[in-house]
Amino acid sequence: LAKTTQPISMDSYEGQEVNITCSHNNIATNDYITWYQQFPSQGPRFIIQGYKTKVTNEVASLFIPADRKSSTLSLPRVSLSDTAVYYCLVVAGSYQLTFGKGTKLSVIP
Amino acid sequence: DVKVTQSSRYLVKRTGEKVFLECVQDMDHENMFWYRQDPGLGLRLIYFSYDVKMKEKGDIPEGYSVSREKKERFSLILESASTNQTSMYLCASRSSTSSYNEQFFGPGTRLTVL
Repeated sequence: LAKTTQPISMDSYEGQEVNITCSHNNIATNDYITWYQQFPSQGPRFIIQGYKTKVTNEVASLFIPADRKSSTLSLPRVSLSDTAVYYCLVVAGSYQLTFGKGTKLSVIP
Repeated sequence: DVKVTQSSRYLVKRTGEKVFLECVQDMDHENMFWYRQDPGLGLRLIYFSYDVKMKEKGDIPEGYSVSREKKERFSLILESASTNQTSMYLCASRSSTSSYNEQFFGPGTRLTVL
């Protein structure tokens, strides 16, 4: 399973764009990159998934360079409610997700 | 909306007790999972089941067993609870036909073993 590395914590002011970068140097050809969000006292929630280039949905964008050794989750104009832990996962197969320690994002008023 | 429910939000048990954690999903998902979450360690997979009566060990199965007699229900069993099993337990489900590797999580059960 490809190991991921992401910052332990980040702070941002409300209204700013936040970019969280994840490195996954030994990602395999068939692996996808997936991001989850977790609020305190709740289970994680799927945000976005991508294979290469750029993916965008109503919540976030995911940028993946050509070598796929890293990815960046972009949250536009964050609000206080975006304060959460964000997990980057490399999905190696159909069943198993391996969660790292995540990035704790704190949004400051 | 997909709903994954867990039998208890908080549970306190004594060392040596047999503990059952129940998880039910209402979306006819084939795959179900049990994780535990501990500070500084993230989420770790205990067991998963890709279909009824099927089970596979995850990363940390020791001290646990599971049961999947019906598609919607996945139970985690602690045969003899120990203090090092004090943790947050999270259940998840996933459709095997989904193009996304999206797992839907329940709210969690915070288990304390005294």
